[in-house]
Amino acid sequence: DAKTTQPTSMDCAEGRAANLPCNHSTISGNEYVYWYRQIHSQGPQYIIHGLKNNETNEMASLIITEDRKSSTLILPHATLRDTAVYYCIVRPYRDNDMRFGAGTRLTVKP
Amino acid sequence: EAGVAQSPRYKIIEKRQSVAFWCNPISGHATLYWYQQILGQGPKLLIQFQNNGVVDDSQLPKDRFSAERLKGVDSTLKIQPAKLEDSAVYLCASSLEGTGQETQYFGPGTRLLVL
Repeated sequence: DAKTTQPTSMDCAEGRAANLPCNHSTISGNEYVYWYRQIHSQGPQYIIHGLKNNETNEMASLIITEDRKSSTLILPHATLRDTAVYYCIVRPYRDNDMRFGAGTRLTVKP
Repeated sequence: EAGVAQSPRYKIIEKRQSVAFWCNPISGHATLYWYQQILGQGPKLLIQFQNNGVVDDSQLPKDRFSAERLKGVDSTLKIQPAKLEDSAVYLCASSLEGTGQETQYFGPGTRLLVL
């Protein structure tokens, strides 16, 4: 069973920041927060992950609250190609079972 | 770098028939995963291989599903006999070692429709 709660869908205007929330109130100390996305008819694609510090890479930023019970994925300048289902996953260290939930369907609109 | 390859991309069969899917992971990746993704849901892990050995097959319906990775490289997932509820996308993923916090890289999937 997924340990995360995400909104079913969100819209974002092209060029604006997309902020995707995730609730993981039962996260334990050794569990990481992962984000993947799945564009239509493709396999999931890794975006970013973190334990307790905020993380940034070329695709996105991950903000994790101090109590680690929630996080936000930020796409700083959304484009139409960012339209996808975004999955937030909590995963213990050394556990390779990626327990995907239903994710958030992000639609970027012109 | 070539990604994870899967074939076929689409397959339509009738219930009670058998079907097989093939996956070739990223070169050098020791760990291979098969996932099932039912429409509207996230992927669910079916089986994980480390080289040619099974690490986790706890969610594989073993009465009808089987998988092998004989030489520790490519892998085949088989369903025999298929049921209507097996209609789904079957995703293959691979990672370098299968330890710690490795990134899993996914293939495009095989979309199966059972009639």
